[in-house]
Amino acid sequence: DIQMTQSPSFLSASVGDRVTINCKASQNINKYLDWYQQKLGEAPKLLIYNTNSLHTGIPSRFSGSGSGTDFTLTISSLQPEDVATYFCLQHNSGYTFGAGTKLELK
Amino acid sequence: EVKLVESGGGLVQPGRSLKLSCAASGFSFNDYWMGWVRQAPGKGLEWIGEINQDSSTINYTPSLKDKFTISRDNAQNTLYLQMSKLGSEDTAIYYCAEWETLDYWGQGVMVTVSS
Repeated sequence: DIQMTQSPSFLSASVGDRVTINCKASQNINKYLDWYQQKLGEAPKLLIYNTNSLHTGIPSRFSGSGSGTDFTLTISSLQPEDVATYFCLQHNSGYTFGAGTKLELK
Repeated sequence: EVKLVESGGGLVQPGRSLKLSCAASGFSFNDYWMGWVRQAPGKGLEWIGEINQDSSTINYTPSLKDKFTISRDNAQNTLYLQMSKLGSEDTAIYYCAEWETLDYWGQGVMVTVSS
């Protein structure tokens, strides 16, 4: 089974900050890594698919990068509405979610 | 508008069974893989399994393969999750989702396993 190690688990940042969240796979997952945003009490929402493809309607301040085993979600300028928990999901072999990063405003 | 609405959750005693439903509308249900994901309180997301369009292929996360059964009724635009031998570790919010683009998710249904 592929394991996903997501870091950090908690992040506090200010409006306008550049924020990065990382996911590391236990083996090569090629480009098959998605990022989700989950706000309190809501279902997960797809942000980025296949490492770096921005989903329809998602603001351009969100971007993804990486390959193989190391992947990053970047928010270029944090907005108040970005407060949420972020998960990565690998779908190269089965499906495995990262443990999540809780993002709060400083 | 795409809608996925889960139902059938609630409080269930340990060792018992429960069947969840997911009613789909606003898209061609029978053209898409569908899946189930759960989230224990305060925890991350766990993929349960997926089912293809004609139910000929069903995949599960290995740890749940003997306890959970996924099925679908394309005539009723409904996805199901049959859960058996439930334990406290199965307490979670259960989400159904369109499992090709992974774009559409239900709001989730709570299942609490407790005596």
